[in-house]
Amino acid sequence: IAGITQAPTSQILAAGRRMTLRCTQDMRHNAMYWYRQDLGLGLRLIHYSNTAGTTGKGEVPDGYSVSRANTDDFPLTLASAVPSQTSVYFCASSDSPGGQETQYFGPGTRLLVL
Amino acid sequence: GQNIDQPTEMTATEGAIVQINCTYQTSGFNGLFWYQQHAGEAPTFLSYNVLDGLEEKGRFSSFLSRSKGYSYLLLKELQMKDSASYLCAVSDNDYKLSFGAGTTVTVRA
Repeated sequence: IAGITQAPTSQILAAGRRMTLRCTQDMRHNAMYWYRQDLGLGLRLIHYSNTAGTTGKGEVPDGYSVSRANTDDFPLTLASAVPSQTSVYFCASSDSPGGQETQYFGPGTRLLVL
Repeated sequence: GQNIDQPTEMTATEGAIVQINCTYQTSGFNGLFWYQQHAGEAPTFLSYNVLDGLEEKGRFSSFLSRSKGYSYLLLKELQMKDSASYLCAVSDNDYKLSFGAGTTVTVRA
């Protein structure tokens, strides 16, 4: 049972480069989320998807894009990376987007933009 | 905007009790979650409260007062493995989670 997987585990990226963080879940969850976690700021929502084919903006969407072509995959793309995007990125999923649904998190991707 | 406050750090002795407080001001309320996060790992679910009162799960309990915008997580019989960050998160009107910055608990022998 894998749950949620993320790739890569870590990455060093030159500023201005394009990068896609991958997220796959095998729980057939409808809702998926991308967060970034920075010291002292906690987890902040970047983008979300309530169901396959739909996406929405979270608290800090600028500089990021997502797609949800199917239930299992939810990639996050940085079109042109900047140093302020250095962070730990967590993907999460829940059975439904309802407020009572527990979110399950992937292991994270540690990204350093130089 | 959402405002969720919790202490930055707490230290306690093995076998003791620690209470982590969380206060919130959010646009709507659809429940409050507590997550545990060990260093370098993903957050994992601990508890969920949507009604006022105490929810007990083994050594961990969580309390909610909606009128006061307040919750606490109580960790009893502390063990070394409980050293971690504890994240308070509120589900708002749009059913999105807003997280506090987390409380790092250090358990000492």
